[in-house]
Amino acid sequence: AQTVTQSQPEMSVQEAETVTLSCTYDTSESDYYLFWYKQPPSRQMILVIRQEAYKQQNATENRFSVNFQKAAKSFSLKISDSQLGDAAMYFCAFQNAGGTSYGKLTFGQGTILTVHP
Amino acid sequence: DGGITQSPKYLFRKEGQNVTLSCEQNLNHDAMYWYRQDPGQGLRLIYYSQIVNDFQKGDIAEGYSVSREKKESFPLTVTSAQKNPTAFYLCASSIVYGTSYEQYFGPGTRLTVT
Repeated sequence: AQTVTQSQPEMSVQEAETVTLSCTYDTSESDYYLFWYKQPPSRQMILVIRQEAYKQQNATENRFSVNFQKAAKSFSLKISDSQLGDAAMYFCAFQNAGGTSYGKLTFGQGTILTVHP
Repeated sequence: DGGITQSPKYLFRKEGQNVTLSCEQNLNHDAMYWYRQDPGQGLRLIYYSQIVNDFQKGDIAEGYSVSREKKESFPLTVTSAQKNPTAFYLCASSIVYGTSYEQYFGPGTRLTVT
């Protein structure tokens, strides 16, 4: 079974600054996907970014980028030029590729991000 | 507008009563999922369904039941056997990209049992 660990229960950042959220995972699989989801106070889960394990290139979506270290089983999220609207709970999630996994996600415990004006 | 709807947003029940949470999607997604979220914890998978009339237990299925009679609908019943039913429940559906399933979530239902 896979496990996902987010060791930072809370993080804070000043508006316009950069913050990095950490995530580690444990798996014996070689082909998988990793995701970061954002959950604002509305509690709607929003997909932020995804990474394919077979790709060495780190995924980027506008101000959001990841640092994917497959050997270390690490998947951190970097938010650049932080905005007040980035304040939310962030979840790291793991998904096995194909087979009988049917897209099941294993989530970390979440990191609450506070953005200070 | 395509999306996932969950109703109601807030639900209150007395202990010992079964309650059914609704989840509907018009995204034409094949796979659907139910997750439970408790304070300070991540989401945990209750049940998932790949196709109509087929579903599998997730990590915490005890005390829950589901049905998948239509592609668009995946209702979750919280039975009286569920020891701690008060939680936030999220429904999701997914589209397949190769071997990846990209999940989209509904707005959730907050269930309180007293």
